[in-house]
Amino acid sequence: GNSVTQMEGPVTLSEEAFLTINCTYTATGYPSLFWYVQYPGEGLQLLLKATKADDKGSNKGFEATYRKETTSFHLEKGSVQVSDSAVYFCALSGHNTNAGKSTFGDGTTLTVKP
Amino acid sequence: DAGVTQSPTHLIKTRGQHVTLRCSPISGHKSVSWYQQVLGQGPQFIFQYYEKEERGRGNFPDRFSARQFPNYSSELNVNALLLGDSALYLCASSPGTSASTDTQYFGPGTRLTVL
Repeated sequence: GNSVTQMEGPVTLSEEAFLTINCTYTATGYPSLFWYVQYPGEGLQLLLKATKADDKGSNKGFEATYRKETTSFHLEKGSVQVSDSAVYFCALSGHNTNAGKSTFGDGTTLTVKP
Repeated sequence: DAGVTQSPTHLIKTRGQHVTLRCSPISGHKSVSWYQQVLGQGPQFIFQYYEKEERGRGNFPDRFSARQFPNYSSELNVNALLLGDSALYLCASSPGTSASTDTQYFGPGTRLTVL
């Protein structure tokens, strides 16, 4: 079946540091890949997505590239801010299913210190 | 436009009781999905409904059931509650195509505590 593995956290960075959160997946065919963010006390929000190999999703300075050859979708940001402190979830929806049946990783907690 | 809304926000029940959670999707969205998020883990898919029909079910026992109404709102029911059912229950809506590329919009969740 489908699965998503995220790097274990928590991750603590200083403001303006470079961020990488690793995500690898197992799925048949060509899934769509997503990053969601959950800010303290709020619900899940879609951060970015990529729907085919070599696509790059980007939003709010975050980027992730769909790498079919390494089955990865690592999240990066060049300069993090305190306001980026949140839990980040990598997710996929299978090639022959729809996004309403997504499989999520366990999340990575990011804390950015001033 | 209003986002996905869920009620109640918090709920405390005792073992063996029954609970009903409610979700209203974004206007125009026909697909509703339910997820269970245990503390420290990612959301796990429970059900998806589209046009009042069940489109998928995750690996959850028959104590879990759901339905969707003509206005596309949805209820999740859990019978014979166990301590392990304590979690944040998330509802998500999407426009309702069959595409894996659809964007899901999540509600704030219902925090269920079973004592």
